[in-house]
This record gives sequence, structure tokens and C-alpha cells, in this order.
Amino acid sequence: GAVVSQHPSRVICKSGTSVKIECRSLDFQATTMFWYRQFPKKSLMLMATSNEGSKATYEQGVEKDKFLINHASLTLSTLTVTSAHPEDSSFYICSARDPDRYTFGSGTRLTVV
Amino acid sequence: EDQVTQSPEALRLQEGESSSLNCSYTVSGLRGLFWYRQDPGKGPEFLFTLYSAGEEKEKERLKATLTKKESFLHITAPKPEDSATYLCAPLSSNTGKLIFGQGTTLQVKP
Repeated sequence: GAVVSQHPSRVICKSGTSVKIECRSLDFQATTMFWYRQFPKKSLMLMATSNEGSKATYEQGVEKDKFLINHASLTLSTLTVTSAHPEDSSFYICSARDPDRYTFGSGTRLTVV
Repeated sequence: EDQVTQSPEALRLQEGESSSLNCSYTVSGLRGLFWYRQDPGKGPEFLFTLYSAGEEKEKERLKATLTKKESFLHITAPKPEDSATYLCAPLSSNTGKLIFGQGTTLQVKP
């Protein structure tokens, strides 16, 4: 079955620094990947859709300059949280489409101190 | 506007006590409805995709059904390991995006 690997699973960073999260499709090629954010006891909130070789499409209210998304290959998408602040602390999850099954990574717990 | 509502928000069952989770949706151009299981601190794990009204799918103690406005996840004789949050997500053909409900958190006590 389709497998999506997400790294790191946990990261703690200092306020003002940047953090990169990787999302890889291990056994299939994903032209489209999605990035979600999840608050405690809340559902998944779509942040952006990334398409291989083109610019990501961000949902309304998501800061493009803060959450940089790169989808340079058919198996890798990255999310960089720039100049992180404590309010960016959250659970970030990626998903890849294959082609009608949406497979999720295991998530990244980001804590900004 | 596309909307998804799951009920109940939380459900406590005794081991072996069967029940159903509800997912009501309003989506323009439904392309499919997905069910996921999510354990604390993990990403959602795929369970089922349903594509048309009347369709049913089963996996172990779980059975998912679909109508034009609702989907149900039936849990038969649950075990403690079935404890998790269950998410439903219709896929809009208009946007190509999954629309997630708030989830039902199931706790099965031995």
C-alpha cells in the first residue's frame, strides 16, 4: 500500500528560527501533496496544496511567506516554517494523493520556545 | 458551502457494545467519502473510501455505508484497541480537496 514518510516527528526550536519538515511518498509518485495543521482536539485544517514543479496554492488566511512549501520532485514536498513564533506551535501533517487514495504522514509536532 | 458534521463528538462504549458513528455532509460534487482513524499524536490512517449511495465496505469490526447525505461507520463488538478518533472526509470534485469533519472520539472500555 501507499506509504508517506514525514520527518521529523518532533522538533523544538527557538523563536525566530526556521524549521523544515519533509514529506516523502515512498512507493508511489505524488504530483499533488497537501499540508495540514491540527490544533489539540480539533480537526485537520488544510493549509496549502502543493503540485510538483509549480507554486503551492495556499488556503485563505495562511501566510505564504511564513509557511514556505516546495514540491521539487514527485516524491518530496517540504514545509518550512520561517521565523517561527510560539503561536506556530502545532501538529503539522502532510498527505499525498495516489491517485484517489489520500495517504497521510505520521505528523510533526512543532514546539517553538 | 461545503460542510461536514460528525456526531457524536465523543462516544464511550463497553467492550462488545456495538454502535454507529454519523457523518452528515453537504458537498457540491461529491467524488468520494473517506473514513480515517487517528490515534493521538499520529497522522490519520486510511480505512475506507465510498463512492456512491448504497455502497458498503467492511474491515474487521468496521462497516461503512453511504447515502446521498450521510455516511455511517458501524462498529460491531468493539475492542479496547478500537479506541481512537474517527474522521470522515468527503472529497469535493469541484476543489479536489478533502473536507474534514471534527471527528468522533471513541473510547472502548474493557
